[in-house]
Amino acid sequence: TQLLEQSPQFLSIQEGENLTVYCNSSSVFSSLQWYRQEPGEGPVLLVTVVTGGEVKKLKRLTFQFGDARKDSSLHITAAQPGDTGLYLCAGGVRGNYQLIWGAGTKLIIKP
Amino acid sequence: EAQVTQNPRYLITVTGKKLTVTCSQNMNHEYMSWYRQDPGLGLRQIYYSMNVEVTDKGDVPEGYKVSRKEKRNFPLILESPSPNQTSLYFCASSLQGTSYNEQFFGPGTRLTVL
Repeated sequence: TQLLEQSPQFLSIQEGENLTVYCNSSSVFSSLQWYRQEPGEGPVLLVTVVTGGEVKKLKRLTFQFGDARKDSSLHITAAQPGDTGLYLCAGGVRGNYQLIWGAGTKLIIKP
Repeated sequence: EAQVTQNPRYLITVTGKKLTVTCSQNMNHEYMSWYRQDPGLGLRQIYYSMNVEVTDKGDVPEGYKVSRKEKRNFPLILESPSPNQTSLYFCASSLQGTSYNEQFFGPGTRLTVL
């Protein structure tokens, strides 16, 4: 059974601090997606990474796919209250139509 | 506006009373899916559909039914709801059923079964 473990499960920090959240597995994935979910809404895609070692930047958010394609990280620089939400990672396996979802990291940025 | 809509957004019902949650997308997507989200468990897939008249079980299909008679609609049916189906439900769609396609989610339906 393929699993994606996200850590930490919960993180509360002050505005302006930096943070990193992780998404780890013992399995290899062909793609890895990160979604953000705000209260009362559905998840929204932030990024998709498909190549081992790939780094993508989205303003203050930096996403990295591990060299072996078993893990990924999301780094936020100078966190803002608008970054508050539940961050979900989802792994894809080639030829399989289902995504494997992590349980999420709940992030709170305090003003 | 491109979107996935779900109705109702909130529903409180009693054990055994059949209900349907509707889902519709206006993006001409082939792939549609239903998830439930429970605290600490993340998103778990209930059923998915690769195209019209093609549906398949996800990870937690017990107690649920779906149909895909039209490309835009993918209703979720609970024939005899039970309290363990109290959850937050999301419908999602994507252009195709590949693991790297972006999934677009509806706003969610919060269901409580008493």
